[in-house]
Amino acid sequence: DQQVKQNSPSLSVQEGRISILNCDYTNSMFDYFLWYKKYPAEGPTFLISISSIKDKNEDGRFTVFLNKSAKHLSLHIVPSQPGDSAVYFCAASDGNRDDKIIFGKGTRLHILP
Amino acid sequence: KAGVTQTPRYLIKTRGQQVTLSCSPISGHRSVSWYQQTPGQGLQFLFEYFSETQRNKGNFPGRFSGRQFSNSRSEMNVSTLELGDSALYLCASSLQGANYEQYFGPGTRLTVT
Repeated sequence: DQQVKQNSPSLSVQEGRISILNCDYTNSMFDYFLWYKKYPAEGPTFLISISSIKDKNEDGRFTVFLNKSAKHLSLHIVPSQPGDSAVYFCAASDGNRDDKIIFGKGTRLHILP
Repeated sequence: KAGVTQTPRYLIKTRGQQVTLSCSPISGHRSVSWYQQTPGQGLQFLFEYFSETQRNKGNFPGRFSGRQFSNSRSEMNVSTLELGDSALYLCASSLQGANYEQYFGPGTRLTVT
């Protein structure tokens, strides 16, 4: 049973526009969420995180929104740049239960010139 | 600060053999986690070690094992290799634990023939 779902395997966005990557989760005990970015032949790189006590966290061009009632989070990238082309993984954890992170299967973002 | 290093970067083994992968975490990080990445499956958690103790384990068979040394370096061993074990194996280190921000190594690409 997939607890963290990224339903879009890929997404194409024009350079300069907003990229919105979505993630849904099923476990209501998750209280910490993270986004990672991965280029080919490299390990994932941490991008941004959000605790369940917040509904928004911003870091430069990256903003993560959390909707707890819908068990949904999204990553907004504004404006999108060519270097943003990568695979983005959403991840979640239940800090009260154990120290395991559950990752989604990833969304491949293509930034078009 | 040096990042997470993994050796070897590439490995080819035959079915039935065993393999040992190595990971050196960022200096000062006591948590080391291992993940398996296969096409279409995202990152699947194998196990986490913290201060030489296995703190958490994913849903993998007993053929997958690991250990952590007093200097926080970690090794992962897979015995009796199967074709389905072909994957990218990623190691990640963290200051606080696997459910917080992790720093990933470049991975070891294992091919089983």
